[in-house]
Amino acid sequence: EAQVTQNPRYLITVTGKKLTVTCSQNMNHEYMSWYRQDPGLGLRQIYYSMNVEVTDKGDVPEGYKVSRKEKRNFPLILESPSPNQTSLYFCASSLEGQGYSYTFGSGTRLTVV
Amino acid sequence: KQEVTQIPAALSVPEGENLVLNCSFTDSAIYNLQWFRQDPGKGLTSLLLIQSSQREQTSGRLNASLDKSSGRSTLYIAASQPGDSATYLCAGRIWAGGTSYGKLTFGQGTILTVHP
Repeated sequence: EAQVTQNPRYLITVTGKKLTVTCSQNMNHEYMSWYRQDPGLGLRQIYYSMNVEVTDKGDVPEGYKVSRKEKRNFPLILESPSPNQTSLYFCASSLEGQGYSYTFGSGTRLTVV
Repeated sequence: KQEVTQIPAALSVPEGENLVLNCSFTDSAIYNLQWFRQDPGKGLTSLLLIQSSQREQTSGRLNASLDKSSGRSTLYIAASQPGDSATYLCAGRIWAGGTSYGKLTFGQGTILTVHP
């Protein structure tokens, strides 16, 4: 089944403890992206990647890192999480081109205390 | 900067009613527009994708239209059912700079409740 898989689905952590949220897609998509969703603010792009070793900042990149060493994986790294990063995170992928649709993962609900 | 607005923010209708959700965008240079459905606490499910060269797309009881010149898209749901209750999001795919076609800009969503 074609899908985007995120792990974990739920995560509670403490301020300052490094964490990684994994994202993997099995559709050979070039383009991958991370979004966060917050009440009243909607979905905002954190980082995106156009292909292996090609990444760039989205609208709200502060406090996050990403890497794209393989085409299928695009992990989101929080080096020193803070409570304002408590949010619902989504990974998405698409073929790179103007005519293609996005596929989203099921989301990761992160709470930083 | 591209902005996407959805009206209304919330809508409550009785079962069986036909309804229209609205989406407007500020930049007519979008590549395509995608409608999603999101159930509470869940991921986004793609409903319809309309290319910039198209006027509308249909899937079952859903019909989405796109008018680039006016910066509007509508999602029409026919014969609504309680199972249609969810948040509906529209998103425009715009040029992100360089060679990327990838950026999606989302509206805030319309929360739809269909009551029996």
